[in-house]
This record gives sequence, structure tokens and C-alpha cells, in this order.
Amino acid sequence: QKEVEQNSGPLSVPEGAIASLNCTYSDRGSQSFFWYRQYSGKSPELIMFIYSNGDKEDGRFTAQLNKASQYVSLLIRDSQPSDSATYLCAGTARDDYKLSFGAGTTVTVRA
Amino acid sequence: EAGVAQSPRYKIIEKRQSVAFWCNPISGHATLYWYQQILGQGPKLLIQFQNNGVVDDSQLPKDRFSAERLKGVDSTLKIQPAKLEDSAVYLCASSGTNSPLHFGNGTRLTVT
Repeated sequence: QKEVEQNSGPLSVPEGAIASLNCTYSDRGSQSFFWYRQYSGKSPELIMFIYSNGDKEDGRFTAQLNKASQYVSLLIRDSQPSDSATYLCAGTARDDYKLSFGAGTTVTVRA
Repeated sequence: EAGVAQSPRYKIIEKRQSVAFWCNPISGHATLYWYQQILGQGPKLLIQFQNNGVVDDSQLPKDRFSAERLKGVDSTLKIQPAKLEDSAVYLCASSGTNSPLHFGNGTRLTVT
């Protein structure tokens, strides 16, 4: 059983719309969650992290965590063509940042 | 701050040959990771170092893969002999105290 799963996607949204990405995890000991963005042929870059239940906003990005449902999501508001990338969800059980990654969700923003 | 440095960027070898990758983490980062990312999949952890000691190598195929971080700074990952299924991007990452993972640009390996 995979520890982190991303089942949605690929996702195509029009420019200016909201892109919603979902992630579930199986290990209840997971404490912190990270969203990485990966452009084609590039390495992953950190967008946001969240470790408390609820919402966390950073610019056009909002991460949501629900530990009871073991569910993490990322919302991208006012989507831009530059947001077109693969988004990786990752979780860790401890503060050592040893991350377990999902397979990723590919987002395409249509101009 | 300088990022995680990796070399080479690309490598093409024939199966059964050997190959080595090099990584220099962000200065001051005690923890170093090697991940393997096969096309269309998320990164999979191969090995984690804390300074020069191995913390987790449970997913490292030890019959063909080896890694070392002798002085607690830079690290090398070796594959010998390579198989077709080893074709992937090998990502090195580092983290410090209260600092999440930062990845290098990766080495794209093609085994023919």
C-alpha cells in the first residue's frame, strides 16, 4: 500500500480558474505535509508545507489538512499558464523531513 | 545561499556498465538524501544520511547500488552493474534543522 496517494488528474483548467489537487495518506503517524511543484525536466521545488489541521494560505496557494480524514489538498487560485506543472504531495512522520511522495498530479492551465 | 549541486546532468550507459553520481548539499545541511524518480512517478527514497552515517537505506537495492558520504559533506551514489530499469532521474536533496528538503537539478540516467 502506498503511503501517499494522489488520485486526481491530469487536471486541465482555464486561466483564472481554481485548480484543486487532492492527496490522501495511510500513515496516521504522518505529521507534516509538503507540496512540491515540478516543471517538466526540472527538479521539484517546495511550494508550501502544512502540519496543523485547517487551511494555510500563501499568495494564490492554499493548503488544507484534515488529519481525521487523512486528507491534504492544494488550491491554486487565479491559475496562470506558468502554473502548468506536476504537483507532488509528500508527507513525513518525523521532523527529519524524510518524505514519502505521491505520484503527482499534472496540471495544465489553458490560456 | 548556493543550492544542492549534482553532476553529471545526463549520463547514457549500456546495461551491465557502472556509473557514479556526485552530490554536494547546501552548506550546513547535515541530512542528505538520494531519491530515484522514474518517469511518471514520484521520487522514491533510496538512502538517507545524517552527517556521514546512514539513517535509512531500506529501499536501496544493495546488490547493485551503493552510496557513501565519507566526510559528512558531499556524497556519491554508484550503480554496478546497471539494468534497464535503472533508467531514471537521480535526485539528491538536503535538509537542515527546521529546514525542509531542497533538491538538486538531478542526474538523468539512460541505460540502453
